[in-house]
Amino acid sequence: NAGVTQTPKFQVLKTGQSMTLQCAQDMNHEYMSWYRQDPGMGLRLIHYSVGAGITDQGEVPNGYNVSRSTTEDFPLRLLSAAPSQTSVYFCASSYGGDSRSYNEQFFGPGTRLTVL
Amino acid sequence: KQEVTQIPAALSVPEGENLVLNCSFTDSAIYNLQWFRQDPGKGLTSLLLIQSSQREQTSGRLNASLDKSSGRSTLYIAASQPGDSATYLCAVGDSGNTPLVFGKGTRLSVIA
Repeated sequence: NAGVTQTPKFQVLKTGQSMTLQCAQDMNHEYMSWYRQDPGMGLRLIHYSVGAGITDQGEVPNGYNVSRSTTEDFPLRLLSAAPSQTSVYFCASSYGGDSRSYNEQFFGPGTRLTVL
Repeated sequence: KQEVTQIPAALSVPEGENLVLNCSFTDSAIYNLQWFRQDPGKGLTSLLLIQSSQREQTSGRLNASLDKSSGRSTLYIAASQPGDSATYLCAVGDSGNTPLVFGKGTRLSVIA
């Protein structure tokens, strides 16, 4: 298993540009989520999904869109990049549901985004 | 709203010392608690997962305990090594389908 993969690893954007951060997992996990990590702020939840076709907002959703058309993929779209979105973005997944044995969350390696 | 606090924010110890990292949470009705390690510039690596019905989990030199009633968890690292230097994050989940709530982490330095 590749686990949770994220592309690209690094990206530089200009203010106003749009882009999509890719996240994929090959563990048949139902639950997926996106976080951003900033110095002194810790990890903050952007959006999450409990299964294909179902998404919900987290703590800091403004400026970001998500969709979940397949179990494997959960892309994060920046609609019009702003310098405040300069951050490291992490995708995570787990089995979800009520199975207490399988709710360990696994994280991808992250995407480091700079918006000029 | 669940809040997770980790104290201390940073810790420096000599190699070989046993140490304890602390995590506290405000709502004791948790589903599980997970400890992660993060190396500089890297992603999060899961260390231990404790379900709400469990009191502790062990993996090698690591032991995590959970006291739901007092809203606390500890991560015990035995015989620390320089390779243990990293940031350790604690996170709690309220159910299988809700997001984890993270603490801000403890940055550990183990000095050779």
